Amino acid sequence: EIVLTQSPTTIAASPGEKVTITCRASSSVSYMYWYQQKPGASPKPWIYDTSKLASGVPNRFSGSGSGTSYSLTINTMETEDAATYYCQQWSSTPTFGAGTKLELK
Amino acid sequence: QVQLKESGPGLVQPSQTLSLTCTVSGFSLSSYGVIWVRQPPGKGLEWMGVIWGNGNTNYNSALKSRLSISRDTSKSQVYLKMNSLQTEDTATYYCARVSRVYPHWFAYWGQGTLVTVSS
Repeated sequence: EIVLTQSPTTIAASPGEKVTITCRASSSVSYMYWYQQKPGASPKPWIYDTSKLASGVPNRFSGSGSGTSYSLTINTMETEDAATYYCQQWSSTPTFGAGTKLELK
Repeated sequence: QVQLKESGPGLVQPSQTLSLTCTVSGFSLSSYGVIWVRQPPGKGLEWMGVIWGNGNTNYNSALKSRLSISRDTSKSQVYLKMNSLQTEDTATYYCARVSRVYPHWFAYWGQGTLVTVSS
Protein backbone atom coordinates (compact mmCIF):
# COMPACT_ATOMS: atom_id res chain seq x y z
CA GLU A 1 0.00 0.00 0.00
CA ILE A 2 1.31 3.43 -0.90
CA VAL A 3 1.37 5.80 2.07
CA LEU A 4 0.77 9.49 1.44
CA THR A 5 2.33 11.95 3.89
CA GLN A 6 0.98 15.48 3.87
CA SER A 7 2.76 18.49 5.28
CA PRO A 8 2.18 20.59 7.13
CA THR A 9 -0.55 19.05 9.24
CA THR A 10 -1.94 22.49 10.01
CA ILE A 11 -1.14 25.86 8.51
CA ALA A 12 -2.49 29.35 9.16
CA ALA A 13 -2.43 31.94 6.39
CA SER A 14 -3.52 35.54 6.04
CA PRO A 15 -5.63 36.76 3.11
CA GLY A 16 -3.38 37.44 0.13
CA GLU A 17 -0.67 35.06 1.34
CA LYS A 18 0.70 32.22 -0.80
CA VAL A 19 0.10 28.72 0.57
CA THR A 20 1.70 25.42 -0.44
CA ILE A 21 0.64 21.99 0.79
CA THR A 22 2.89 19.04 0.05
CA CYS A 23 1.98 15.38 -0.42
CA ARG A 24 4.76 12.80 -0.51
CA ALA A 25 4.16 9.22 -1.63
CA SER A 26 6.05 6.21 -0.27
CA SER A 27 6.43 4.97 -3.86
CA SER A 28 6.14 6.67 -7.21
CA VAL A 29 2.61 7.40 -8.42
CA SER A 30 1.47 8.59 -11.81
CA TYR A 31 -1.13 11.12 -10.75
CA MET A 32 -2.34 12.88 -7.62
CA TYR A 33 -5.84 14.01 -6.77
CA TRP A 34 -6.91 16.58 -4.20
CA TYR A 35 -10.13 17.19 -2.27
CA GLN A 36 -11.32 20.10 -0.14
CA GLN A 37 -13.46 19.43 2.89
CA LYS A 38 -15.14 21.93 5.19
CA PRO A 39 -16.62 20.98 8.58
CA GLY A 40 -19.85 19.02 8.32
CA ALA A 41 -19.60 18.69 4.54
CA SER A 42 -18.58 15.98 2.09
CA PRO A 43 -15.19 16.18 0.44
CA LYS A 44 -15.28 18.21 -2.76
CA PRO A 45 -13.26 17.15 -5.77
CA TRP A 46 -10.67 19.86 -6.21
CA ILE A 47 -7.73 18.91 -8.42
CA TYR A 48 -7.43 15.87 -10.70
CA ASP A 49 -4.74 14.41 -12.89
CA THR A 50 -2.17 16.24 -10.70
CA SER A 51 -2.80 19.72 -12.09
CA LYS A 52 -6.30 20.05 -13.55
CA LEU A 53 -8.83 22.11 -11.59
CA ALA A 54 -12.28 20.66 -11.00
CA SER A 55 -15.24 22.63 -12.21
CA GLY A 56 -15.78 25.76 -10.16
CA VAL A 57 -12.36 25.75 -8.48
CA PRO A 58 -10.84 29.23 -8.56
CA ASN A 59 -7.73 29.62 -10.68
CA ARG A 60 -5.72 30.86 -7.71
CA PHE A 61 -5.35 27.14 -6.99
CA SER A 62 -2.81 25.01 -8.81
CA GLY A 63 -1.41 21.51 -8.54
CA SER A 64 1.94 20.13 -9.57
CA GLY A 65 4.38 17.33 -9.01
CA SER A 66 5.55 13.96 -10.22
CA GLY A 67 6.92 10.70 -8.91
CA THR A 68 6.76 10.83 -5.12
CA SER A 69 6.33 14.57 -4.55
CA TYR A 70 3.20 16.59 -5.26
CA SER A 71 1.83 19.91 -4.11
CA LEU A 72 -1.26 22.07 -4.02
CA THR A 73 -0.65 25.81 -4.11
CA ILE A 74 -2.95 28.74 -3.43
CA ASN A 75 -1.51 31.83 -5.08
CA THR A 76 -3.35 34.31 -2.88
CA MET A 77 -5.23 33.01 0.14
CA GLU A 78 -8.87 34.00 0.49
CA THR A 79 -11.12 33.48 3.52
CA GLU A 80 -13.23 30.85 1.73
CA ASP A 81 -10.14 28.68 1.21
CA ALA A 82 -9.99 27.77 4.90
CA ALA A 83 -10.66 24.02 4.90
CA THR A 84 -8.92 20.66 5.14
CA TYR A 85 -7.24 19.41 1.98
CA TYR A 86 -6.61 15.73 1.27
CA CYS A 87 -4.42 14.20 -1.40
CA GLN A 88 -5.31 10.83 -2.92
CA GLN A 89 -3.60 8.35 -5.21
CA TRP A 90 -4.69 5.20 -6.96
CA SER A 91 -1.70 3.35 -8.29
CA SER A 92 -2.61 -0.06 -6.92
CA THR A 93 -5.30 0.59 -4.34
CA PRO A 94 -6.50 4.05 -3.35
CA THR A 95 -5.10 5.80 -0.33
CA PHE A 96 -5.56 9.27 1.10
CA GLY A 97 -3.20 11.54 2.93
CA ALA A 98 -4.05 12.43 6.51
CA GLY A 99 -5.12 15.91 5.52
CA THR A 100 -3.81 19.44 5.91
CA LYS A 101 -5.96 21.88 7.83
CA LEU A 102 -5.68 25.38 6.41
CA GLU A 103 -6.81 28.06 8.83
CA LEU A 104 -7.30 31.77 8.45
CA LYS A 105 -4.77 33.87 10.33
CA GLN B 1 -27.49 15.90 -12.70
CA VAL B 2 -25.41 13.29 -10.88
CA GLN B 3 -26.56 12.63 -7.34
CA LEU B 4 -25.73 10.05 -4.71
CA LYS B 5 -27.40 9.61 -1.36
CA GLU B 6 -26.44 7.25 1.43
CA SER B 7 -28.97 5.73 3.80
CA GLY B 8 -28.87 3.30 6.65
CA PRO B 9 -29.19 2.88 10.41
CA GLY B 10 -27.58 5.58 12.48
CA LEU B 11 -26.80 3.15 15.30
CA VAL B 12 -25.43 -0.37 15.15
CA GLN B 13 -24.56 -2.60 18.07
CA PRO B 14 -21.07 -4.05 18.42
CA SER B 15 -20.54 -7.36 16.63
CA GLN B 16 -23.55 -6.71 14.38
CA THR B 17 -23.63 -6.17 10.62
CA LEU B 18 -23.84 -2.76 8.98
CA SER B 19 -25.99 -2.40 5.88
CA LEU B 20 -25.89 0.82 3.89
CA THR B 21 -27.53 1.82 0.62
CA CYS B 22 -26.28 4.37 -1.89
CA THR B 23 -29.08 5.51 -4.18
CA VAL B 24 -27.86 7.21 -7.33
CA SER B 25 -29.45 9.28 -10.08
CA GLY B 26 -28.27 10.98 -13.24
CA PHE B 27 -26.14 8.06 -14.41
CA SER B 28 -26.18 4.31 -14.92
CA LEU B 29 -24.42 1.97 -12.51
CA SER B 30 -23.55 -0.18 -15.52
CA SER B 31 -21.33 2.59 -16.84
CA TYR B 32 -19.52 3.96 -13.78
CA GLY B 33 -17.73 2.72 -10.72
CA VAL B 34 -19.04 3.64 -7.28
CA ILE B 35 -16.81 3.64 -4.23
CA TRP B 36 -17.32 3.72 -0.48
CA VAL B 37 -15.16 5.90 1.76
CA ARG B 38 -15.47 6.37 5.50
CA GLN B 39 -14.31 9.03 7.91
CA PRO B 40 -14.19 8.55 11.70
CA PRO B 41 -15.15 11.66 13.66
CA GLY B 42 -12.35 14.22 13.49
CA LYS B 43 -10.14 11.95 11.40
CA GLY B 44 -9.17 11.40 7.77
CA LEU B 45 -10.63 9.51 4.83
CA GLU B 46 -10.35 5.76 4.29
CA TRP B 47 -11.18 4.08 0.99
CA MET B 48 -13.21 0.95 1.56
CA GLY B 49 -13.94 -0.52 -1.84
CA VAL B 50 -15.33 -0.10 -5.33
CA ILE B 51 -17.89 -1.75 -7.57
CA TRP B 52 -17.15 -1.11 -11.21
CA GLY B 53 -19.58 -0.69 -14.07
CA ASN B 54 -19.02 -4.31 -15.10
CA GLY B 55 -19.89 -5.47 -11.59
CA ASN B 56 -16.34 -6.32 -10.52
CA THR B 57 -15.32 -5.32 -7.02
CA ASN B 58 -12.08 -4.39 -5.25
CA TYR B 59 -11.70 -3.99 -1.51
CA ASN B 60 -9.35 -2.40 0.97
CA SER B 61 -7.24 -5.32 2.14
CA ALA B 62 -7.68 -4.24 5.77
CA LEU B 63 -11.46 -4.61 5.49
CA LYS B 64 -11.77 -7.34 2.87
CA SER B 65 -12.66 -10.14 5.26
CA ARG B 66 -15.62 -8.17 6.67
CA LEU B 67 -16.82 -6.18 3.67
CA SER B 68 -19.12 -6.80 0.73
CA ILE B 69 -20.24 -4.34 -1.95
CA SER B 70 -23.03 -5.19 -4.36
CA ARG B 71 -25.60 -3.39 -6.48
CA ASP B 72 -29.00 -3.54 -8.10
CA THR B 73 -28.78 -1.66 -11.38
CA SER B 74 -32.56 -1.69 -11.87
CA LYS B 75 -32.98 0.19 -8.60
CA SER B 76 -29.90 2.39 -9.13
CA GLN B 77 -28.63 1.29 -5.74
CA VAL B 78 -25.26 0.19 -4.42
CA TYR B 79 -25.04 -1.71 -1.14
CA LEU B 80 -22.37 -1.97 1.51
CA LYS B 81 -22.41 -4.73 4.09
CA MET B 82 -19.77 -5.00 6.78
CA ASN B 83 -19.90 -7.51 9.60
CA SER B 84 -18.39 -7.79 13.06
CA LEU B 85 -18.63 -4.08 13.72
CA GLN B 86 -16.61 -2.54 16.53
CA THR B 87 -16.57 0.92 18.07
CA GLU B 88 -13.70 1.92 15.79
CA ASP B 89 -16.07 1.49 12.83
CA THR B 90 -17.97 4.56 14.01
CA ALA B 91 -17.68 6.96 11.09
CA THR B 92 -19.44 8.93 8.41
CA TYR B 93 -19.78 6.67 5.40
CA TYR B 94 -19.75 8.21 1.93
CA CYS B 95 -20.44 6.78 -1.49
CA ALA B 96 -18.93 8.49 -4.52
CA ARG B 97 -18.82 8.03 -8.27
CA VAL B 98 -15.66 7.88 -10.27
CA SER B 99 -14.99 10.25 -13.14
CA ARG B 100 -15.76 9.17 -16.70
CA VAL B 101 -12.37 10.14 -18.05
CA TYR B 102 -10.31 9.71 -14.88
CA PRO B 103 -11.66 6.56 -13.19
CA HIS B 104 -9.25 6.90 -10.29
CA TRP B 105 -10.75 10.24 -9.30
CA PHE B 106 -13.85 10.51 -7.12
CA ALA B 107 -15.77 13.20 -8.96
CA TYR B 108 -19.17 13.11 -7.25
CA TRP B 109 -19.91 12.48 -3.59
CA GLY B 110 -22.97 11.81 -1.50
CA GLN B 111 -23.73 13.76 1.64
CA GLY B 112 -22.60 10.93 3.88
CA THR B 113 -24.35 9.04 6.65
CA LEU B 114 -23.09 8.85 10.22
CA VAL B 115 -22.96 5.37 11.71
CA THR B 116 -22.35 4.99 15.42
CA VAL B 117 -21.35 1.62 16.81
CA SER B 118 -22.48 1.41 20.40
CA SER B 119 -24.46 -0.77 22.74
